[in-house]
Amino acid sequence: GENVEQHPSTLSVQEGDSAVIKCTYSDSASNYFPWYKQELGKGPQLIIDIRSNVGEKKDQRIAVTLNKTAKHFSLHITETQPEDSAVYFCAARVGSGTYKYIFGTGTRLKVLA
Amino acid sequence: NAGVTQTPKFRILKIGQSMTLQCAQDMNHNYMYWYRQDPGMGLKLIYYSVGAGITDKGEVPNGYNVSRSTTEDFPLRLELAAPSQTSVYFCASSFKGFYEQYFGPGTRLTVT
Repeated sequence: GENVEQHPSTLSVQEGDSAVIKCTYSDSASNYFPWYKQELGKGPQLIIDIRSNVGEKKDQRIAVTLNKTAKHFSLHITETQPEDSAVYFCAARVGSGTYKYIFGTGTRLKVLA
Repeated sequence: NAGVTQTPKFRILKIGQSMTLQCAQDMNHNYMYWYRQDPGMGLKLIYYSVGAGITDKGEVPNGYNVSRSTTEDFPLRLELAAPSQTSVYFCASSFKGFYEQYFGPGTRLTVT
């Protein structure tokens, strides 16, 4: 079945450094890839997304890149701040005509002050 | 707008009991979803709905039922609770299937 692998499972960076989280998907028909941030005790919140007709998207300190050929996409956070500490999930839409999403297993990011 | 609300926040069930997790949204979204999140795992889709009266199974529907009689509400029913259903349950909604999903705060369910 469809699968999304996410690495690393935990990531510690010094404040001000960059953080990169990588995901690989299996369904070549997937065409939408959102990233969610989940703070302790809360539901996930969308931070950025990318569609398959775009290779890169930026929003201030956050960027996502997509390589359709290799079927992987990555989240880049620059100039990390303590408030970036959270669990981050990638997801891929199953196929191109469904409303189902497969989520990665999450990355716990710790930004050390 | 309250967004997506879920009740209860916490619940402990005994094996074999039944309960309904409530979910409501006030954003007039057509699409609603139920996910479960197990420790150290991503979210797994249980059921989803693309509009009132229309529901479909996700990855892990066994042991659950849903209904969608109104646009606003999407309750999840657990029949004959089992320890394997111990999890955190999230409800989400979106305007359309290709748009941002808004998540509720979750319900932490323990079955003992």
